[in-house]
Amino acid sequence: DVKVTQSSRYLVKRTGEKVFLECVQDMDHENMFWYRQDPGLGLRLIYFSYDVKMKEKGDIPEGYSVSREKKERFSLILESASTNQTSMYLCASSLSPGLGSMDQPQHFGDGTRLSIL
Amino acid sequence: SQQGEEDPQALSIQEGENATMNCSYKTSINNLQWYRQNSGRGLVHLILIRSNEREKHSGRLRVTLDTSKKSSSLLITASRAADTASYFCAHRGGSNYKLTFGKGTLLTVNP
Repeated sequence: DVKVTQSSRYLVKRTGEKVFLECVQDMDHENMFWYRQDPGLGLRLIYFSYDVKMKEKGDIPEGYSVSREKKERFSLILESASTNQTSMYLCASSLSPGLGSMDQPQHFGDGTRLSIL
Repeated sequence: SQQGEEDPQALSIQEGENATMNCSYKTSINNLQWYRQNSGRGLVHLILIRSNEREKHSGRLRVTLDTSKKSSSLLITASRAADTASYFCAHRGGSNYKLTFGKGTLLTVNP
């Protein structure tokens, strides 16, 4: 089974701090994703990466950056944390669509509940 | 963003009953997927239906897709207390990578 591991289940940081959220997958997936999940808003894509050192902005990239130096690891960085970034952060990975198949589900970690005080 | 929308937002039923959740979307799609999320956990992929399919089954799950109405439904038959979770639809459009998720239906199955 695919395993996506997020480094922390719960994290508390202060306003203005630089925050790193780490995600590791063990199935050699090309694609990795960072979402945030807020009540009433569902999942919103922050950034995704389709290869090492490659990244693309999602729907809400402002205030975030990402790093993918190795295929198995995708880091989300809050450059200067603010209280409106308090949320549940979910990492996911998937294979790239192969020849003849666009059908690749995403596999999720258990999330990091981040509180910014 | 072109989020899908699940309906209802919340559903409460008794064990053994069937649960039906609906999803609407706005864009053309390659496929539509359903995910389950238990409280405090990540999402788990349940089932995928391609745009050229109309119905698909997996165990107690039945998914239908009507591309003319841009809608899908998820039916869980003979529900169990362990089915209590949030259920999300997600669709993939023109992009090879991105899924767009709906806001979810919270299903509560009472023993």
